[in-house]
Amino acid sequence: QVQLVESGGGVVQPGRSLRLSCAASGFSFSTYGMQWVRQAPGKGLEWVAIIRFDGTGKNYVGSVKGRFTISRDNSKNTLYLEMNNLRVEDTAVYYCAKSGYSSNWSDSWGQGTLVTVSS
Amino acid sequence: DILMTQSPDSLAVSLGERATISCKSSQGTLYSNNKRYLAWYQQKPGQPPKLLIYWASTRESGVPDRFSGSGSGTNFTLTISSLQAEDVAVYYCQQYFNTPFTFGQGTKLEIK
Repeated sequence: QVQLVESGGGVVQPGRSLRLSCAASGFSFSTYGMQWVRQAPGKGLEWVAIIRFDGTGKNYVGSVKGRFTISRDNSKNTLYLEMNNLRVEDTAVYYCAKSGYSSNWSDSWGQGTLVTVSS
Repeated sequence: DILMTQSPDSLAVSLGERATISCKSSQGTLYSNNKRYLAWYQQKPGQPPKLLIYWASTRESGVPDRFSGSGSGTNFTLTISSLQAEDVAVYYCQQYFNTPFTFGQGTKLEIK
């Protein structure tokens, strides 16, 4: 079955960088789009970014554009989120999610990794 | 960006009764190519979200048939026909018509 395992979260100071990873298994990773969604403590879901199955197309929510970069390595079945110039408001659990078979709903989710931005 | 607004913010329903959650899009339509680009998710405490419905009314495999989705244009509805104890959760709608793929603010469903 589909398994998504995020890693790389932790505590970081404002302005610093962090890279999240999402190891995928149980499906043909290279044929599906992948997404990142975050959830601040006690808050709702916020969509962050998406990348096409082949890595050629990427989109971001406005608040992270120019600071975050989504990427993937299909040879390693791994999704990444490079986060630069982190802000306190980026504090959240970050989930990776697999896109649906024919469009961009998220049909499988990882357990999430917590990123805390604090001085 | 498309704003998704859910109502109510919280809801208490008796076991066995119907629960209805509404979701309204700020954009004129989420409809293209005979498809409605709207999904519903369930999130229980301490867990990631779980997909319930996509294309506004298609139930994900394994989701009980007491969950149903409907709607068109800018107004969509998630209905739980007979509430079970395990349905206590927060429910989110999401449009995947245009990036950013925005979520509603969530509706907390409890047992009355």
